Amino acid sequence: GAGVSQSPSNKVTEKGKDVELRCDPISGHTALYWYRQSLGQGLEFLIYFQGNSAPDKSGLPSDRFSAERTGGSVSTLTIQRTQQEDSAVYLCASSLLSSGTIYEQYFGPGTRLTVT
Amino acid sequence: AQKITQTQPGMFVQEKEAVTLDCTYDTSDPSYGLFWYKQPSSGEMIFLIYQGSYDQQNATEGRYSLNFQKARKSANLVISASQLGDSAMYFCAMRERGAGSYQLTFGKGTKLSVIP
Repeated sequence: GAGVSQSPSNKVTEKGKDVELRCDPISGHTALYWYRQSLGQGLEFLIYFQGNSAPDKSGLPSDRFSAERTGGSVSTLTIQRTQQEDSAVYLCASSLLSSGTIYEQYFGPGTRLTVT
Repeated sequence: AQKITQTQPGMFVQEKEAVTLDCTYDTSDPSYGLFWYKQPSSGEMIFLIYQGSYDQQNATEGRYSLNFQKARKSANLVISASQLGDSAMYFCAMRERGAGSYQLTFGKGTKLSVIP
């Protein structure tokens, strides 16, 4: 079946503008995750969705970052008033979900965000 | 303290030889899972192998095996019969089940280069 898809693949924006990044998880995967990968910080967790709710937003770096998920499927990560330090690759992942089992996460190809 | 430590920033291996990529972890949670991911230059994170903390046997998946030494808190990835296509970044990651979150914590990665 189809894997995790993300759009756009590349986004160049001016400092101060808002951006929206989209993630379409694997069908049937209840859990969805956003991570950020940058040269200086490695791979950082941002937020986790269980269905449409986000029980863990601990990784969001500031209140300029928000995310939502609708219909238990597509998720959008929004960054308001972008700053140059927001430049990174934003990765989305999805997985099955069970309290008794640890499932592997499957990643999308990422969105490369460049803030000029 | 870092939860996942990968001490080898870069490794070289001759084609058809075996190579071991090191990973040590730090957790007080008795229930956890360890993962290895491959990230080629294209950027996508590819799931390779998983080891649960209660698994009695070392995980294997084709040419990949995980040398799990629980007492030493190490989870080294062994790639047998290296191929040119194995050249990539490799990340070790952990999910702690008691943390109440399903996020993965990643190491900084090892860049593997396979020499013909």
